[in-house]
Amino acid sequence: GAVVSQHPSRVICKSGTSVKIECRSLDFQATTMFWYRQFPKQSLMLMATSNEGSKATYEQGVEKDKFLINHASLTLSTLTVTSAHPEDSSFYICSASRRRDDSPLHFGNGTRLTVT
Amino acid sequence: GESVGLHLPTLSVQEGDNSIINCAYSNSASDYFIWYKQESGKGPQFIIDIRSNMDKRQGQRVTVLLNKTVKHLSLQIAATQPGDSAVYFCAENMGGTSYGKLTFGQGTILTVHP
Repeated sequence: GAVVSQHPSRVICKSGTSVKIECRSLDFQATTMFWYRQFPKQSLMLMATSNEGSKATYEQGVEKDKFLINHASLTLSTLTVTSAHPEDSSFYICSASRRRDDSPLHFGNGTRLTVT
Repeated sequence: GESVGLHLPTLSVQEGDNSIINCAYSNSASDYFIWYKQESGKGPQFIIDIRSNMDKRQGQRVTVLLNKTVKHLSLQIAATQPGDSAVYFCAENMGGTSYGKLTFGQGTILTVHP
């Protein structure tokens, strides 16, 4: 069964509004979670590393003020897309790592964001 | 910058055939490699992984080969089934301070015809 859960699976919002996406590790504590973005027919691109109890680390070119990440507990990370625009429409996927020295093998099922 | 890439964007096979999906990587510092399967509208599903101290690893119907000399990775699927139809991605990780951060290849679309 799934070990990483994402919610919602689909969301449609109007331009200018904010959307929050949740990523939960279901049966383990994840000190680190990762957020990826995937455009249609393209590969996954890492956006940021979410660290429990500390600030997220963003990849080059990703606006930290636009994509707010909060990792308040060992089982939950949230990604908030603020002031969404149509170009933010994408498939957002999270992954979680069981231990600091493990590569993440577990991905969520993604969230399809459509901004109208 | 350095990245992981794939030679073939699409692959069509007949049910029962063996499939080989290739991936070239350019970061010699990568020490961990993973193959993922992604079905439409879903997140990546782990298939098999291999560390840089190995050159071959086998799973159920799948084998991953790693050739560090030419920086090449391949996924072999035996007796391919229609349910194997999906997009396949290779991903690399450098470990160390970059633990858990994956760089994905462009993906190969595998279509299995009954």
